[in-house]
Amino acid sequence: EVQLVETGGGLIQPGGSLRLSCAASGFTVSSSHMYWVRQAPGKGLEWVSVIYSGGNTYYADSVKGRFISSEDNSHNTLFLQMNSLRAEDTAVYYCASGHFDFWGQGTLVTVSS
Amino acid sequence: QAMVTQEPSLTVSPGGTVTLTCGSTTGAVTSGHFPYWFQQKPGQAPRTLIYDTSNKHSWTPARFSGSLLGGKAALTLSGAQPEDEAEYYCLVFYSGAGVFGRGTKLTVL
Repeated sequence: EVQLVETGGGLIQPGGSLRLSCAASGFTVSSSHMYWVRQAPGKGLEWVSVIYSGGNTYYADSVKGRFISSEDNSHNTLFLQMNSLRAEDTAVYYCASGHFDFWGQGTLVTVSS
Repeated sequence: QAMVTQEPSLTVSPGGTVTLTCGSTTGAVTSGHFPYWFQQKPGQAPRTLIYDTSNKHSWTPARFSGSLLGGKAALTLSGAQPEDEAEYYCLVFYSGAGVFGRGTKLTVL
């Protein structure tokens, strides 16, 4: 059974850093396109990043230079390292795979002093 | 950055047909933008209905279909059901990076 489980969310002060994890089971992360998508409270979906199965990585302009997506193949896990966090980064962060076939349950990141 | 346009809201009668569209500020949406369509109900994670313009997942109800129409990606719902009331988002890719539209709130009434 395919499953994605995100962890690592929480309350963080502006300017701080946080690392989200997305543990995958039932498939191999390195063989699949892996995405991060976020949704601010009461707002729409925002595409954040992708690591394609070939290794290329892309980011939304709003996070470029601050967020880094990576994979740990030994643990079959996707990460999102978030630096220089701002209030506008407050959102539920979802990981998703493939053709967005599977989604995690989401983890809430709140950036506030 | 390019922006993706969607109708803010649409209403369809039960059993009726409605088409949601997804445009781009950079010009026509083509198959090379690999358009996706997602459905999201309150309190739930999004669910993918259509990928790469017109491909369906195993869970996509047959009444949903995707296409290109007049320079836009389109999601057509034929035979609307009450459970289809939801927010619908399209996602388009520009040279590897994705951009969501702001969503269409579909009311079945």
